[in-house]
Amino acid sequence: GAGVSQSPSNKVTEKGKDVELRCDPISGHTALYWYRQSLGQGLEFLIYFQGNSAPDKSGLPSDRFSAERTGGSVSTLTIQRTQQEDSAVYLCASRHTSGGTQETQYFGPGTRLLVL
Amino acid sequence: TQLLEQSPQFLSIQEGENLTVYCNSSSVFSSLQWYRQEPGEGPVLLVTVVTGGEVKKLKRLTFQFGDARKDSSLHITAAQPGDTGLYLCAGDRHNQGGKLIFGQGTELSVKP
Repeated sequence: GAGVSQSPSNKVTEKGKDVELRCDPISGHTALYWYRQSLGQGLEFLIYFQGNSAPDKSGLPSDRFSAERTGGSVSTLTIQRTQQEDSAVYLCASRHTSGGTQETQYFGPGTRLLVL
Repeated sequence: TQLLEQSPQFLSIQEGENLTVYCNSSSVFSSLQWYRQEPGEGPVLLVTVVTGGEVKKLKRLTFQFGDARKDSSLHITAAQPGDTGLYLCAGDRHNQGGKLIFGQGTELSVKP
């Protein structure tokens, strides 16, 4: 079956512009996560969606970052007024949750964002 | 503050050598996962350890979870060039919705 897909795979933008990054999770996966991978910094959690619950936004670095998940499936991460320090790989992961077990998070290939 | 300290960050060895990567924390994790990431791709899960003291083997890779569930190690025996890649540990804490805390990663290069 299809894995997690993300688009675009690469994005170059100018400082101050807004960008939208898209994630298509694995069908049927109720949990969706966004992470950011910066050079030399590892992956850091950004935001988490679980079913119809309010998202956990505790990892968003500033109010320029927002995300939504429509219909419990596709998610869009929006970065407004991009800054050069936003340059990173943005990774999406999805997970099937059935309670009480350790389900695997499946990652997409990421979107490489470069802010000039 | 880095909750998961992974070391070493870079490792360059010859084919056939053994190596160990460490992941340490002062926090307790309900599970700890090891991923491998290739350039241009997302991380791929290698193993999940859940029980303190647990040891899991995956061919030449041995994973261990500390008794107190605060640390973990990955040992590779007789490394091969195909083992080259970025290895990441990630911890999952109780009642956090499965969001992962990642170590900084270990960039492994195995030369033939």
